[in-house]
Amino acid sequence: EVQLVESGGGLVQPGGSLRLSCAASGFTFTSYSMNWVRQAPGKGLEWVSYISSSSSNIYYADSVKGRFTISRDNAKNSLYVQMNSLRAEDTAVYYCARGNGDYPSFFDYWGQGTLVTVSS
Amino acid sequence: DIQMTQSPSTLSASVGDRVTITCRASQSISSWLAWYQQKPGKAPKLLIYKASSLESGVPSRFSGSGSGTEFTLTISSLQPDDFATYYCQQYHSYWTFGQGTKVEIK
Repeated sequence: EVQLVESGGGLVQPGGSLRLSCAASGFTFTSYSMNWVRQAPGKGLEWVSYISSSSSNIYYADSVKGRFTISRDNAKNSLYVQMNSLRAEDTAVYYCARGNGDYPSFFDYWGQGTLVTVSS
Repeated sequence: DIQMTQSPSTLSASVGDRVTITCRASQSISSWLAWYQQKPGKAPKLLIYKASSLESGVPSRFSGSGSGTEFTLTISSLQPDDFATYYCQQYHSYWTFGQGTKVEIK
């Protein structure tokens, strides 16, 4: 059974940093691209970042470019996002989502999400 | 950037109704479109990919159609479990979601 479990969310002050993790199991992690998608409270879904299976291709939404860094450790079946210079508008539930193949790909499995709150 | 526009934003319907949700892309995305269902407090769930391909395990009352810039998601006979918010997503050029359509009980 495919499982994606996010962790690392919490309350952080504006300008602060946070690192989210996503532990994957139940599939061959090295064969799939991965993504971060966020959802602000009461709002819709926003794609944040993509990383290919080998980490050779990485993309970011304009809203986080230069502040967020996506990475993966295929030996640990884990996906990460380092979030710096956080703003109030980054407050959201952050989901990791598996890409069905490499680019372009829809998202076939999602984690349960982890809440990030940016507030003083 | 490709913009995705869904209509309506909210839809009130009864059990057994046929429901149609429309999604329009700001430029052609061929058939690179997916549909997701999301219930409150839960992660999105994939329903349809490549505009009309039904994800394994998804009931056959869900169907998708369209290509280019106009797409539809149809639920042939609405069931109690279907009251949720639905999102379209283009994956032709990066990824963009529609703003969502909430299907409510009439």
